Amino acid sequence: QVHLVESGGGLVKPGGSLRLSCAASGFNFSDYYMSWIRQAPGKGPEWISYISGHSLYMSYAESVKYRFAISRDNAKNSLYLEMNSLRAEDTAVYYCARDISGGRLDYWGQGTLVTSPQ
Amino acid sequence: DIQMTQSPSSLSASVGDRVTFTCRASQTINGHLNWYQQKLGKAPKLLIFAASTLQSGVPSRFSGSGSGTDFTLTINNLQPEDFGTYYCQQSFSAPPTFGPGTRVDI
Repeated sequence: QVHLVESGGGLVKPGGSLRLSCAASGFNFSDYYMSWIRQAPGKGPEWISYISGHSLYMSYAESVKYRFAISRDNAKNSLYLEMNSLRAEDTAVYYCARDISGGRLDYWGQGTLVTSPQ
Repeated sequence: DIQMTQSPSSLSASVGDRVTFTCRASQTINGHLNWYQQKLGKAPKLLIFAASTLQSGVPSRFSGSGSGTDFTLTINNLQPEDFGTYYCQQSFSAPPTFGPGTRVDI
């Protein structure tokens, strides 16, 4: 069955950097778009980035554009999110999800918490 | 970006009730509307996609309808495990955007 496991979250000072990973199993990873979504405490989910199966297409939310970078390694069935210039408002649980047709998120990981205190 | 709104923001219901909540998009989204259920401390779970298609494994008491800009999610015969927050999301145009959610208390 499809299984997604995020890792790499933690406490980071404003202006700092962090790299999140998402390990995928149970499906042919390279056949699917993958997305990162975050959820700030008490708020709804916010989609932040997706990447196509062979990394040809990527897209970012305006809130993270030029600061975050999505990538994937199909040989390792892994998805990544490089986060730079972190701000207090980036504090959230970060989820990876399998993305069907540009936004339908059919499987999600359990999430990893990123905290960048003010 | 397409803005999504949901109503009500919360509701209380009893086991066995039929509950309906709504989602509205700021422009037509051609039926590209998905519904998710989220329980406290867990990731969202896809319930319905393309406005009315039940995701595999989701109980048939859940149903979705709507077109254009207005959509509804209905839960028939509400069960204790249905508590949580329900989010709609459009996948018609980038960026995909979520509504603020409807919290259901049993």
